[in-house]
Amino acid sequence: DTAVSQTPKYLVTQMGNDKSIKCEQNLGHDTMYWYKQDSKKFLKIMFSYNNKELIINETVPNRFSPKSPDKAHLNLHINSLELGDSAVYFCASSQITRGETQYFGPGTRLLVL
Amino acid sequence: SQKIEQNSEALNIQEGKTATLTCNYTNYSPAYLQWYRQDPGRGPVFLLLIRENEKEKRKERLKVTFDTTLKQSLFHITASQPADSATYLCALVVNSGNTPLVFGKGTRLSVIA
Repeated sequence: DTAVSQTPKYLVTQMGNDKSIKCEQNLGHDTMYWYKQDSKKFLKIMFSYNNKELIINETVPNRFSPKSPDKAHLNLHINSLELGDSAVYFCASSQITRGETQYFGPGTRLLVL
Repeated sequence: SQKIEQNSEALNIQEGKTATLTCNYTNYSPAYLQWYRQDPGRGPVFLLLIRENEKEKRKERLKVTFDTTLKQSLFHITASQPADSATYLCALVVNSGNTPLVFGKGTRLSVIA
């Protein structure tokens, strides 16, 4: 009964490929997020969706495209992968948009070769 | 420029002592401040939230203080145990803008038996 789950856990791929990471939450939350944690462990928000609607889109290359088919799912598609995309990507969810505790998934470790 | 700084990247402490971690911020007006714990290979886990009008919050062996004049939060773990070894992240919820949480880089705590 994992609260926030992500697949895959590890992703190793070549430069230029397109890949997707999936996220699901069973907490009944309205808001979901994608974060990137780089090699220096700095955790930075990329996107936020509330009830399937995009509400935060930080300065992220447009090769990254989130998709929310319903409020329990938020997937991240990355086109034309670059070496600098290597990082750990975390999905999270919260009940409301601001100020609320966030619940994080286990992370997807992406390595671009 | 806006900054969140956690006092040190790593902190070593003897078992049984009190660990004190610091989070300083500049050019933010946080409504809330949260502390998360992150273990290697896992997502952050929420520990405590403190609001701008609260001075102190406690939960079991954990205590958080929030001084909006000094622009600082202190996170204390009393009677520390080796199982407390992890990275601890502070996160601000700011009063303006859409970004729900802004994270510090974290302090890696090691409790030595």
